Amino acid sequence: EAGVAQSPRYKIIEKRQSVAFWCNPISGHATLYWYQQILGQGPKLLIQFQNNGVVDDSQLPKDRFSAERLKGVDSTLKIQPAKLEDSAVYLCASSLPPEGSLAGELFFGEGSRLTVL
Amino acid sequence: SQKIEQNSEALNIQEGKTATLTCNYTNYSPAYLQWYRQDPGRGPVFLLLIRENEKEKRKERLKVTFDTTLKQSLFHITASQPADSATYLCATCPVGTASKLTFGTGTRLQVTL
Repeated sequence: EAGVAQSPRYKIIEKRQSVAFWCNPISGHATLYWYQQILGQGPKLLIQFQNNGVVDDSQLPKDRFSAERLKGVDSTLKIQPAKLEDSAVYLCASSLPPEGSLAGELFFGEGSRLTVL
Repeated sequence: SQKIEQNSEALNIQEGKTATLTCNYTNYSPAYLQWYRQDPGRGPVFLLLIRENEKEKRKERLKVTFDTTLKQSLFHITASQPADSATYLCATCPVGTASKLTFGTGTRLQVTL
């Protein structure tokens, strides 16, 4: 079974530039997550989709970050303009729909490492 | 505010010993906790889920406990091996919701020969 695919794996940009990350979840997984992981910290949820609808984006810096999941499959996360503090690994994860209040096991991609200079 | 706390200091143990990692939570009443393993440069990998009505869960050399009174989960690796060296993360959702799965900071485990 194919896992969660992410690209690019690495990206280096200057501050104030823009960047986009792409994620293809496991087939059949209705729930898709974007997490930001800063070095030495745990993953921080940015946005959660259920099919193509947003479940939670309370921690997404909406002045510079945007995400979409057209057709309920692939997703893109965009940062514009980037700041130095956006340097992190951006992890995409997917899961089967929750069973009531029980979130399913998350399957993560390898991540996209962003360096902002 | 709601917090999930793990010991940020690395845990160093000898091969063959039992490693015990701690996950404490405050201002949460989680119905369950999940544990993940993360290797450098890789995404986290799911290991175990324990529900609030399960005091203990086992999978091969792994054991997880859940104490809702102490607001704590313990993660044990018995007969540890150098290949167990990684960062271990715990995660949970606010009660009554399956959204906003929140992770702790993780604890790095180093198993030496």
